[in-house]
Amino acid sequence: KNQVEQSPQSLIILEGKNCTLQCNYTVSPFSNLRWYKQDTGRGPVSLTIMTFSENTKSNGRYTATLDADTKQSSLHITASQLSDSASYICVVSAGEYGNKLVFGAGTILRVKS
Amino acid sequence: DGGITQSPKYLFRKEGQNVTLSCEQNLNHDAMYWYRQDPGQGLRLIYYSQIVNDFQKGDIAEGYSVSREKKESFPLTVTSAQKNPTAFYLCASSLWAGTTDTQYFGPGTRLTVL
Repeated sequence: KNQVEQSPQSLIILEGKNCTLQCNYTVSPFSNLRWYKQDTGRGPVSLTIMTFSENTKSNGRYTATLDADTKQSSLHITASQLSDSASYICVVSAGEYGNKLVFGAGTILRVKS
Repeated sequence: DGGITQSPKYLFRKEGQNVTLSCEQNLNHDAMYWYRQDPGQGLRLIYYSQIVNDFQKGDIAEGYSVSREKKESFPLTVTSAQKNPTAFYLCASSLWAGTTDTQYFGPGTRLTVL
């Protein structure tokens, strides 16, 4: 069964600190992995996308890593800001054409001042 | 939210009623999607459409219906057959339903059954 597991479920950090969110997946065949940011009551917004051959991708203060061998990904947030408070969703594309998306439940991040 | 709009933002439904959620995009995307989001769960695909006048069931299509008469519009009807419709509904679109195509999401509609 295709699954995406994210940890932790929620996280509280102080403004300016770094944090790392985890994503483990059992999806086959793997096509690509995305991280989305979803603000409360809004739609998700894409942060990064990585294919099988990529093991790191950055978008400003967000850096995603991918280990296709262990089927793990992480999202590292540097120098957190209050605006980083959101749910972060890991999404894996499955299937021969990658058009089957499997969504994780998300990690809720709260950044405190 | 890109060029995707959803309306209304909040919707209340009585038992036994059908309601229709609107989704419009001006991105000239071929593919459109409807997802349902429940607390503590990942998004689940209800229906998707890769081209006008064609749509396919997703993982949880029972109790829902869609139409795709225009490229820019993909309305979702939640029928009385959907037994637990209270949820956050998200519409998305992508250039086409391909491997690396990013889906762009609308702002969502929160549906509550009274």
